[in-house]
Parts: sequence; C-alpha cells; structure tokens
Amino acid sequence: DTAVSQTPKYLVTQMGNDKSIKCEQNLGHDTMYWYKQDSKKFLKIMFSYNNKELIINETVPNRFSPKSPDKAHLNLHINSLELGDSAVYFCASTQEGYGYTFGSGTRLTVV
Amino acid sequence: EDQVTQSPEALRLQEGESSSLNCSYTVSGLRGLFWYRQDPGKGPEFLFTLYSAGEEKEKERLKATLTKKESFLHITAPKPEDSATYLCAYEPGGTSYGKLTFGQGTILTVHP
Repeated sequence: DTAVSQTPKYLVTQMGNDKSIKCEQNLGHDTMYWYKQDSKKFLKIMFSYNNKELIINETVPNRFSPKSPDKAHLNLHINSLELGDSAVYFCASTQEGYGYTFGSGTRLTVV
Repeated sequence: EDQVTQSPEALRLQEGESSSLNCSYTVSGLRGLFWYRQDPGKGPEFLFTLYSAGEEKEKERLKATLTKKESFLHITAPKPEDSATYLCAYEPGGTSYGKLTFGQGTILTVHP
C-alpha cells in the first residue's frame, strides 16, 4: 500500500547509456513531480505534471524527458547519461490543500 | 533571488535536551512553508505546513512556528529516534504553485 513508489531503487550505468525511472502514486493526487537531490543533499525541482500536463519545467538539460501516461504515473527518461547526472531522484505527488508525498528515491550512479 | 537558509547545518543533542532549528527565507509572496524529516536512504517525510505568520503546529515532540522572515522547528525532550535531517521548503504564491524550494537541511543527532 505504498503511496508513492519508484523503480528501480538503485541504478548503476555507464556514461552514454539511456535509462528510465518509473513512478506511480495511489493517492489520487492530480500533480506529480521529479526532484533531484545532489551530493550536498539539496533537493531541486525538475518537472511537474498536473493531470498529465507539464506545468513546471526547470532549467534541466534536454536529455531529461518526463512522460506522464496518466495522472497516477510519471516516468523520467534520461538520454546519454553523464557523470554529473549521478544523484538521487525523487518522485512526489500532491493535491491542493495537502502536503507533498515523496517516494523513497532512485539512486543513480553513472560510471 | 528567493532563497531559504537553514541553521545550524548540524546539531548534536543529548536525549532530553530541547533545542530549535531555524529556517530563514527571502521570498515575496509565501504560499506555504513546509517542514520535512528525511532519514538516510529514504524520501522526505512530511511534518508540517504553515501558511501565515503567527501560525503554530505541533506533533509529538515537534512544534513548528512561522514569522514573516523565518520558521522554527522546536524539539522538546528529543529521543534518539528523532535523529534525522530536517528540511524546510517554501512554496511561493502566484503562478509558482507546486514549486518547492528547499533549504540544505539540518542534520540532527540525538545521543542517548
């Protein structure tokens, strides 16, 4: 009965590869997010989708492409992975008037 | 530029030793100020949302307060299980709904 679930939890890959991270929420929230937590532990927003529509797109390289097939799912595809992409990526969801619920994170290591 | 700063970066307490964490922010038009707890290897866990200066919220040993410039997270008689990183974040008003900006966090360690 996990509220926001992400897969995989760990991802180790070589530079130049393409990878995807999946996120699903069973809270019925309308809005979903991708956040990146770097080595200094700062959490920064990357994207936000509201009911499958992109509403926030921060300054993120074009190699990152979010996709929302329905309001319960938000996936993140990353092309041509670079060493600097290594971080923990968190999915989150929210509904107006409620707090944000985060997933447990995907630790991406690019070697 | 809107920003949020947390202090101290790290805090070590003895069990039962009460203290406070600070979150100061510079933003025009605050929609909400959030406090989260993050344990190692896990995602942030929601604690509180504060919406207006003077507001206070409590949960067990934690109490969050908000002024026009800063927020405090007071920890009363902490226990070792309160050890975690505490994050604050603000959500600006207007068209930036949903765009949380986080501080760098305060790492709290409570020794038995």
